[in-house]
Amino acid sequence: KQEVTQIPAALSVPEGENLVLNCSFTDSAIYNLQWFRQDPGKGLTSLLLIQSSQREQTSGRLNASLDKSSGRSTLYIAASQPGDSATYLCAVNQDDMRFGAGTRLTVKP
Amino acid sequence: NAGVTQTPKFQVLKTGQSMTLQCAQDMNHNSMYWYRQDPGMGLRLIYYSASEGTTDKGEVPNGYNVSRLNKREFSLRLESAAPSQTSVYFCASSRDNSNYGYTFGSGTRLTVV
Repeated sequence: KQEVTQIPAALSVPEGENLVLNCSFTDSAIYNLQWFRQDPGKGLTSLLLIQSSQREQTSGRLNASLDKSSGRSTLYIAASQPGDSATYLCAVNQDDMRFGAGTRLTVKP
Repeated sequence: NAGVTQTPKFQVLKTGQSMTLQCAQDMNHNSMYWYRQDPGMGLRLIYYSASEGTTDKGEVPNGYNVSRLNKREFSLRLESAAPSQTSVYFCASSRDNSNYGYTFGSGTRLTVV
């Protein structure tokens, strides 16, 4: 059974810092991995999708990497802003998406 | 762009009552999914429909039934609600179940008292 773990569970940083969120998964036979953002009381917004054949994807200040053989993905956020405060979820796809519990990020002005 | 639309947004039920959560997508996606989200447990898959006419159980199907009414609509039914089903329910869709990412609805917050 696929297990997805996100570390840390919560993170607080001052505005302007670069930061890395981690995601690990136990079964490397995945189709793809997707990072989402969730604001309190809201739905999930897709940030980046990495196919199993890819090593990384970039969108603006966000960069996600995938090392399928070691079962790891990282989400790098450059020059963090208070508007980046949210919960970030990692999900791996093996016929259906399995989610980590998320990292709650707070960026302080 | 409506994407994935869920109704209702909020619902309070008494134990034993039944209800149906509705989900519709307008992106011509083949696959649709129902998840529940509980504090500290992440999202867990209840049921999914890989294509029109098929449905399969996910991690936590007990107490639920689903209907893939057509390509656009995928409903989730609670026949006899229990307090343990208090949760936030999310519907999602994807072009297929392996090569594409998921698009989520805004969720239904359900409380069973």
